[in-house]
Amino acid sequence: GAVVSQHPSRVICKSGTSVKIECRSLDFQATTMFWYRQFPKQSLMLMATSNEGSKATYEQGVEKDKFLINHASLTLSTLTVTSAHPEDSSFYICSARGNRWGGIRGYTFGSGTRLTVV
Amino acid sequence: GESVGLHLPTLSVQEGDNSIINCAYSNSASDYFIWYKQESGKGPQFIIDIRSNMDKRQGQRVTVLLNKTVKHLSLQIAATQPGDSAVYFCAENSATGNQFYFGTGTSLTVIP
Repeated sequence: GAVVSQHPSRVICKSGTSVKIECRSLDFQATTMFWYRQFPKQSLMLMATSNEGSKATYEQGVEKDKFLINHASLTLSTLTVTSAHPEDSSFYICSARGNRWGGIRGYTFGSGTRLTVV
Repeated sequence: GESVGLHLPTLSVQEGDNSIINCAYSNSASDYFIWYKQESGKGPQFIIDIRSNMDKRQGQRVTVLLNKTVKHLSLQIAATQPGDSAVYFCAENSATGNQFYFGTGTSLTVIP
């Protein structure tokens, strides 16, 4: 149980375009989802926390107008990178916390999306 | 945010030897910690967790030690196998929030 599906796994886009990444909880309801970004050979950096039905909370230094997060249902959160530039090229990973899990242990990660902006 | 990774330390061990991976965390208010394993191009996988009211927890071939005095965690892997080659991260969670913040990470290479 507790599977998180992330799509697409890889995307290449032109500079200036927008890209949407989806994160779905397949067998549980995710009340909270987290989006991370990871540059090569570096750690995961938390970008934002999204709660179903409310606005996302962004970490310091993350532009909320550039990284739009929508968590409209208990099984789907989306991250849209708007007006992407080459410096936005990175590995984006989502994580979901389900409301069925009694403990905080219930965090599951998606498989990540490799974004390349050319 | 909290701990931020700026570079990736590396560790090489012979197959069959024990591995020890270390992590320093930054927030003394963190009360829950998880070790994750990340293989290339994939998302992190849960390995083992520990709460701040414990100083040691054992799993299958893995042991996590927590020293709150110096804000240090370690992951011990017994009889390391080639399949253990990956990047290992510790992540800390504050009692006041749901967020997990990741440490720098260590790249483990197992030499057959």
